[in-house]
Amino acid sequence: DAGVTQTPRHEVAEKGQTIILKCEPVSGHNDLFWYRQTKIQGLELLSYFRSKSLMEDGGAFKDRFKAEMLNSSFSTLKIQPTEPKDSAVYLCASRPGTGENTLYFGAGTRLSVL
Amino acid sequence: AQSVTQPDARVTVSEGASLQLRCKYSSSVTPYLFWYVQYPRQGLQLLLKYYSGDPVVQGVNGFEAEFSKSNSSFHLRKASVHWSDSAVYFCAVSSNAGAKLTFGGGTRLTVRP
Repeated sequence: DAGVTQTPRHEVAEKGQTIILKCEPVSGHNDLFWYRQTKIQGLELLSYFRSKSLMEDGGAFKDRFKAEMLNSSFSTLKIQPTEPKDSAVYLCASRPGTGENTLYFGAGTRLSVL
Repeated sequence: AQSVTQPDARVTVSEGASLQLRCKYSSSVTPYLFWYVQYPRQGLQLLLKYYSGDPVVQGVNGFEAEFSKSNSSFHLRKASVHWSDSAVYFCAVSSNAGAKLTFGGGTRLTVRP
């Protein structure tokens, strides 16, 4: 079984650019999460989808961050415009969503904003 | 609301020594508890989880954790660590099977050869 796939693994952006990160969840999983990971803040929830419906959008991240589930097997996270403080690792995770709440994580995308 | 505290940001032990990583949680209901491990340049992987029953749960690679309702804790233990256990360990809590997980800040474990 394929796990959670995230692309690209690394992204370098100039301040003000728009970047799109991609995630393919485990096949058949209904729940999908986007997290931001930094040394200072740890893991912060950006978005949570259940069966493609947005359940939570991470409050403080509404402004420039937009996650979408285009279909049940593909999600994107758009950051527009990027700022240097957005430099972090972005993790995507999925789970079955049928009473089993173990999360399966992708390897992450490391974003550097110059 | 729920929260997780991992009081030790960094722990260093010698290979072969025993290990305990601490986790304290706050939850208004009996929580679902998890330990995840993150190796360099990888995502998080599940070590073990607790829902109910025996408060001592076994995980992968010789790890175990003990749930204590009276202490609101879910500490991770290993009898004898190996250099390959060097990683960042995260404790997480959720209020029910369908809820989001809240993660602690993580503990970076370094195992000295």
